[in-house]
Amino acid sequence: DIVMTQSPDSLAVSLGERATFNCKSSQSVSNRSNNKQYLAWYQQKPRQPPKLLISWASTRESGVPDRFSGGGSGTGFTLTITSLQAEDVAVYYCQQYFSVPYTFGQGTNVEI
Amino acid sequence: QVQLQESGPGLVRPSETLSLTCAVSAYSISSASYWGWVRQPPGKGLEWIGSIFHTGITFYNPSLKSRLAISVDTSQNHFSLKLTSVTAADTAVYYCVRGGGPTGLFGLWGQGTLVTSSS
Repeated sequence: DIVMTQSPDSLAVSLGERATFNCKSSQSVSNRSNNKQYLAWYQQKPRQPPKLLISWASTRESGVPDRFSGGGSGTGFTLTITSLQAEDVAVYYCQQYFSVPYTFGQGTNVEI
Repeated sequence: QVQLQESGPGLVRPSETLSLTCAVSAYSISSASYWGWVRQPPGKGLEWIGSIFHTGITFYNPSLKSRLAISVDTSQNHFSLKLTSVTAADTAVYYCVRGGGPTGLFGLWGQGTLVTSSS
């Protein structure tokens, strides 16, 4: 199984400031044939199900604000919120879909 | 607007079978999508359980495969999960999802239902 490790576990950021957190995979989730990164980010607000934010490491889903951006390749990835808003308080999970079983990181808790 | 809604018992005795159903509304389950289940133990992270296509093709998490069955009922537009021989470790919020097939993305989630394994 590919193990996903996120850091930090928790992050406190002031409103309007930048939040950056990381995700590492135990093996590459990059497909050499199509040069795609099989890495997604999800946002889970309190008492809600997760919501898909970003796929292919950097492609925002429809309706996701452009203050969210993803990057990285191979085994190292980042999610950045450029200007944190109150509604961004949530746990953020990365997930690899390169191989079965699909696996998630343990989550990063973002607080104000 | 496509919606997923889980239903089933909230309490299952250890060693018995956990059974859940996910009703899909405003979308035909026979369309080109995979449907699946993800669970989240209280206060913990997410675990993909398995997914199914309307033709019956399944992808299962190997760690659960021996106890797992996911099925689809196109006439009722719902799909189901059965997990046998449950233990306290199976206590979790169970989410039904659209996705989890070859693309492995989970684009739509139900609200989730808490299932507790306890005597």
